[in-house]
Amino acid sequence: DAGVTQSPTHLIKTRGQQVTLRCSPISGHKSVSWYQQVLGQGPQFIFQYYEKEERGRGNFPDRFSARQFPNYSSELNVNALLLGDSALYLCASSSPGGPLHFGNGTRLTVT
Amino acid sequence: DQQVKQNSPSLSVQEGRISILNCDYTNSMFDYFLWYKKYPAEGPTFLISISSIKDKNEDGRFTVFLNKSAKHLSLHIVPSQPGDSAVYFCAADTGTASKLTFGTGTRLQVTL
Repeated sequence: DAGVTQSPTHLIKTRGQQVTLRCSPISGHKSVSWYQQVLGQGPQFIFQYYEKEERGRGNFPDRFSARQFPNYSSELNVNALLLGDSALYLCASSSPGGPLHFGNGTRLTVT
Repeated sequence: DQQVKQNSPSLSVQEGRISILNCDYTNSMFDYFLWYKKYPAEGPTFLISISSIKDKNEDGRFTVFLNKSAKHLSLHIVPSQPGDSAVYFCAADTGTASKLTFGTGTRLQVTL
């Protein structure tokens, strides 16, 4: 069975630009979460979606937004990129009560 | 405010010996704890979890111990193998297991 897939794997953007990251959950998983991991730190929670509804939001500015589609895939959007947004963005899916299963992430570099 | 702390950034253990990775937390509302392993260029992989109603959970070579009064958990790997070399993250949540708070990780190196 395919795991969580994310695209693209790497991305380079300029300050002020906008970026969209994509995630497909494990088949049958209806919950998708997004995390940001900066170098030397653990992943930090950004959003959780379940059945297309936002179920939680971490301490991130409004420049960060997300949505979940009827097929449970998800997109994370970041507007007005800052240098500090450079990080590994991880998507994870889960079944109810189960642990998060992570994709390999999208490495975003903002120059 | 670091609610989940892994105070050892790195650990080196000989193959065949026990690896013990430690994690402390400050939020008394946390009641579900997980360990993840991460290789370079890959996402974190779930290893083992424990609910606050237990003090030990075992899965093969991996055992997690929880001391609620000390707000401390540890992951034991016995015997350690070279393939266990990775960064290990401790994570905690208040029951949903979807909004995890992670520690900063411990890099484990298992030497021959």
